[in-house]
Parts: sequence; C-alpha cells; structure tokens
Amino acid sequence: DTEVTQTPKHLVMGMTNKKSLKCEQHMGHRAMYWYKQKAKKPPELMFVYSYEKLSINESVPSRFSPECPNSSLLNLHLHALQPEDSALYLCASSQDRMRGGITEAFFGQGTRLTVV
Amino acid sequence: QKEVEQDPGPLSVPEGAIVSLNCTYSNSAFQYFMWYRQYSRKGPELLMYTYSSGNKEDGRFTAQVDKSSKYISLFIRDSQPSDSATYLCAMKVFPDMRFGAGTRLTVKP
Repeated sequence: DTEVTQTPKHLVMGMTNKKSLKCEQHMGHRAMYWYKQKAKKPPELMFVYSYEKLSINESVPSRFSPECPNSSLLNLHLHALQPEDSALYLCASSQDRMRGGITEAFFGQGTRLTVV
Repeated sequence: QKEVEQDPGPLSVPEGAIVSLNCTYSNSAFQYFMWYRQYSRKGPELLMYTYSSGNKEDGRFTAQVDKSSKYISLFIRDSQPSDSATYLCAMKVFPDMRFGAGTRLTVKP
C-alpha cells in the first residue's frame, strides 16, 4: 500500500474563514511534506516534517500553519487566506531516515483550494 | 540559477516514438532522484526512482543518472497517447525534496 490520503478533495473558503487540510499515510513513513502547486507550475515546497518535528519552513506566510500530531497525520491550518493562495495543495510522505536511507516519496491526490 | 533545471517544453511526438526527458542540477548534495508523471488536476504519480549513477529500467521506462555531470534522464519507449502528461524530475537530500519545472508531453495517435 503506497497510499497517501488527502481530505477534502475540494475546498472553497472565504478570506475570513478558518479551515484545515488533512493528510494521512499508514506506510510508517517518518517524513511528510506540504507542497503548493499553481496551474502549469511545479510543486513548491512549503513545509517538511521529519519524525514529527518541523524540519523545513520555506518562509511560508503565517496564515498557513502546519501541524503533525503523530507519525501518520499531517494537517495544514488555513486562516485569513488571500485569493492568490488558491492552488492545489499536495501532501507527500517518504521513509527517510535521519542517518542515511533516503527513499522515494509518494503523493496524495491533493486538495484543490479556492479562496473567494 | 535554479537548483533543478528542466525544459518545460511543450514536447509533441507521434505514437511509438522514443521520448527523452532531461534535468540538470547544481546541488551536488542531492542523493536520490525520481521521476513523476502528473495528469491535469491530479497528484504526481511516482514512475521511477534511483540513487546511483547508471541506468534503471522498468517496462517502457528507463531512468538514467550521471552524477559526475549532474544530469538525469527519463526515456519512454514505444510512447502511447496515454503517456500524454507532465513529467517532473525530483531530487532529494534529507529532508529536502525539490522539483524541476516539469515537461509537458503530448503523444499524438
């Protein structure tokens, strides 16, 4: 099983709303990623969690707040977003180990977010 | 200079052609190399992965890595219309993963 599940698949939110995106994997992977992808562009790295600790934060605005409550779950909390934040938000996971052993990453199908 | 360079195309080939997709990179710390296929409005699907220089074959797909030249390739043999998609190269150094721009491929019947 190489499945990464993202919910919801689609989300429309107003600029004053608070919402959360969820990502779940049961492959025992200890690295989890959030990417943002605009149309016809490659995925842009937002956050990386390694062993449930935030390892990389690509200077993402504070209106995006990641959370990794356990090794299987990754959330992205959204608050006061702007229309330009509309994009496909992708979650990925991999079995990377701290001491060597980098492996391939698997992606979910994404959440298509529209901010109105 | 971007860490990972990939020609965005678009690339159009006739059915049955051999397709060659390429990426170059500047960060010699990258240790793991992947190719993804992405259909419109879908998540990237892992096609090939490797960590060593040389060739790796899986069906119609061959991934090639040359670490000394910082150059990776994906070859698709006997291309099919269903191969029409965007192909993304990705590279990893723990815990980071970066993508190329993606090449849009169309295989015409």
